[in-house]
Amino acid sequence: EVQLVESGGGLVQPGRSLRLSCAASGFNFDDYVMHWVRQVPGKGLECVASITWNSDRKAYVDSVKGRFTISRDNAKRSLFLQMDRLRPEDTALYYCAILTGELGGGAFDHWGQGTLVTVSS
Amino acid sequence: DIQMTQSPSSLSASVGDRVTITCRASQNIDRWLGWYQQKPGKAPQLLIYKASSLPSGVSSRFSGSGSGTEFTLTISSLQAEDFGTYYCQQYNSYFRTFGQGTKVEIK
Repeated sequence: EVQLVESGGGLVQPGRSLRLSCAASGFNFDDYVMHWVRQVPGKGLECVASITWNSDRKAYVDSVKGRFTISRDNAKRSLFLQMDRLRPEDTALYYCAILTGELGGGAFDHWGQGTLVTVSS
Repeated sequence: DIQMTQSPSSLSASVGDRVTITCRASQNIDRWLGWYQQKPGKAPQLLIYKASSLPSGVSSRFSGSGSGTEFTLTISSLQAEDFGTYYCQQYNSYFRTFGQGTKVEIK
């Protein structure tokens, strides 16, 4: 069974840092591009950061460039999001996800349960 | 980044109605488009991939069409359990982008 389990969320003051982790199991982790997707409660989905299987390419939504860093450890089957200089507008539920991948000719798409980040003084 | 624009932003329809949601990409994405359904408090679920393919287990009342920059999700006969918010997502590039969502309500 595929599992993506996020951790590391919580309440943090503006300007501070937080590091999210995602533990993956049940699939070949190093075969897939991985993503962090966030959702402000009651709002839409936003892909915040993506990383290729061997970490040679990383991409970010404009609003987090220079503040967030995505990384992965394939040996430990783990995905990370280092969030620095946090702002109130970063408050959201953060999902670790495999988005529209492929396995055996079919779709391979899985999401974690999310971890809530609240940025407030 | 590739921008995705959905319409309408919300709709209300009756059980049995045919429902259509449109998604436009800011540049050619071939057929690298997926559709998701999200219900309150739950993670999104993939309904369609490669513009028109159904993952196993997804009802055949859902269908997708389109290529290039114009795409459509159709629910052939709306059911009560189809309420929720629907999102398109492009995967022409490894960095994904989503449409803003279409909220579907049952009359």
